[in-house]
Amino acid sequence: DTEVTQTPKHLVMGMTNKKSLKCEQHMGHRAMYWYKQKAKKPPELMFVYSYEKLSINESVPSRFSPECPNSSLLNLHLHALQPEDSALYLCASSPPLNNSPLHFGNGTRLTVT
Amino acid sequence: RKEVEQDPGPFNVPEGATVAFNCTYSNSASQSFFWYRQDCRKEPKLLMSVYSSGNEDGRFTAQLNRASQYISLLIRDSKLSDSATYLCVAFTGGGNKLTFGTGTQLKVEL
Repeated sequence: DTEVTQTPKHLVMGMTNKKSLKCEQHMGHRAMYWYKQKAKKPPELMFVYSYEKLSINESVPSRFSPECPNSSLLNLHLHALQPEDSALYLCASSPPLNNSPLHFGNGTRLTVT
Repeated sequence: RKEVEQDPGPFNVPEGATVAFNCTYSNSASQSFFWYRQDCRKEPKLLMSVYSSGNEDGRFTAQLNRASQYISLLIRDSKLSDSATYLCVAFTGGGNKLTFGTGTQLKVEL
């Protein structure tokens, strides 16, 4: 069982919808991440939060908006997505120390119609 | 040149075989490396961390060669359940930036 929980597991949304992906961890990790993964490709980094502050944004389009309300929660707000945004969205967390491995959630499988 | 490169495979091996994967990285300043395993439509799961010259855990051995900038993963006595994609991961930049290789697909067959 993963200690990083993501909801929902599956999401289908239209291009005009607004939805949010949620991620929660209670391991005391202070870095949290969003990755996007297309079929047969490796995960691609989108955002990193370190101590609840956005530290890395990999030039992600503004239709994806991250939010870190506290050290345990990470959200990804979605608006006006395109069909090519359909993918597996993975949340991960890691301890405060640099060079620590990531712990991934189960992911949200997103389909944009 | 990609920051982290792997042979995508697939590697098709019989059960009981020994198989090795290599991964090269371009940033000589990278300090930490990891091997993750990912099953189809699942999240990546940490298999091994590689901080110094190498690490061994049961049937799995990871080696780090800093001079040649590659890490390897050796799997001995392959099981059917080892079939998965193996992702090589490196810290490649400042902050908490981890970069994934493309992954190597392993299929263990009867």
